[in-house]
Order: sequence, then structure tokens, then C-alpha cells
Amino acid sequence: GIQVEQSPPDLILQEGANSTLRCNFSDSVNNLQWFHQNPWGQLINLFYIPSGTKQNGRLSATTVATERYSLLYISSSQTTDSGVYFCAVPYTGTASKLTFGTGTRLQVTL
Amino acid sequence: NAGVTQTPKFQVLKTGQSMTLQCAQDMNHEYMSWYRQDPGMGLRLIHYSVGAGITDQGEVPNGYNVSRSTTEDFPLRLLSAAPSQTSVYFCASSPPNRGQETQYFGPGTRLLVL
Repeated sequence: GIQVEQSPPDLILQEGANSTLRCNFSDSVNNLQWFHQNPWGQLINLFYIPSGTKQNGRLSATTVATERYSLLYISSSQTTDSGVYFCAVPYTGTASKLTFGTGTRLQVTL
Repeated sequence: NAGVTQTPKFQVLKTGQSMTLQCAQDMNHEYMSWYRQDPGMGLRLIHYSVGAGITDQGEVPNGYNVSRSTTEDFPLRLLSAAPSQTSVYFCASSPPNRGQETQYFGPGTRLLVL
């Protein structure tokens, strides 16, 4: 099956700093999703981004499908950004069956 | 809308016991899925359903059964619990619109098998 790798595995930032999280995948995909898992375990969908760039406030994501990677940018980080960020691609077929990467654990400190 | 709800939030079982994890959604989503999350790992797909009466296996289906009699509900059954099934279980649903298959996750059920 498709392999999904994320880097870095862990990241510590001071509040206000910017960061880039990377997701590499081993095969062609027709979509990709980014999720944030907060410290209480809740998973929130951030982006559905098969290609191109999307922005939502301080967060933006870019997927270059031909080169099999996606990037998540966090600008002016806040303590509420802490948690684990996952990217996920279709297991097979539809986007409803996802293969997840192992995540990037982000800690934002004051 | 309540979104995706899961019960119970936490459960302790003894090896060999059976139980059902409940999942319900009120968004009229066709697709529903069950995932498990083990420490330090991403989520892995257990079973999924593309509509009432239709289910199929995911990446790690052994030891679990599902059924989908209604659009709203998608219960996950553990037939004979094993310590290896200690995990956090997430249910998810997706809207029917092709091309915008964003998944919505429930709050999770934390299961401990002794």
C-alpha cells in the first residue's frame, strides 16, 4: 500500500514563530487531507487539498502531486496550535478510506 | 447538528469479553469509517461503509465486525477482546459530494483490555 512519511516528527516553537511541516507519499494520489489532533485527542480537518495552495487564516497548505509531497505552513504560531498534525491520503479509491502518516508533534511555548 | 458522536468515552474490558462501540452521525453522510490509533502512531482503518447495507474491510479488520442498517449508525463490535486491541477508536463520516470528501471525526473511545 501507499506509504506516508511526515517530517519533522517533533517540533518545539516559541509563540510567534513560523514553521513548515512536510508530508511525502509514495504513490500518486487524487487528494490529500491535513488534520490537527489537539491535546484532548479531537481530530479536526484543516485542509482538503489534492493540489495547489489553500489558506485559512494563519495556516496554509500546498500540495505538489506530481512530486508527491505536501507542505503545511503555520505562521505566527500560538499555544493553541499545539498538538499533532497528520496528513492522510486515500487508502484505495475514495478519500473516505485514509492512510495516515505518523504525524508531527508540535509544542508551542510562551 | 451534533456531528459525529461516539459512546462510551472510555471502557475497560477483560480478555475474551465482547462489546460494541457506538457511532452515530446526524449529517446524512453516506460514508462512515472506523479507525484505531495506537500510541505514537497515525490512525489505521479498520472497516468502512459507503452506505446503509454496505460494508468492507480496511487495513486492520481482524477481531472486529461492523454492520450498517441505517445511514446514521455504524457500530463496531469486538467479538472477543484481546490486549492487542487496547487503543483509541475513532469513527468518521464523509459527505456524499464527490470531490469534497472531507472527513469528520468523533471524539474517540478509549479502550483498555486487561
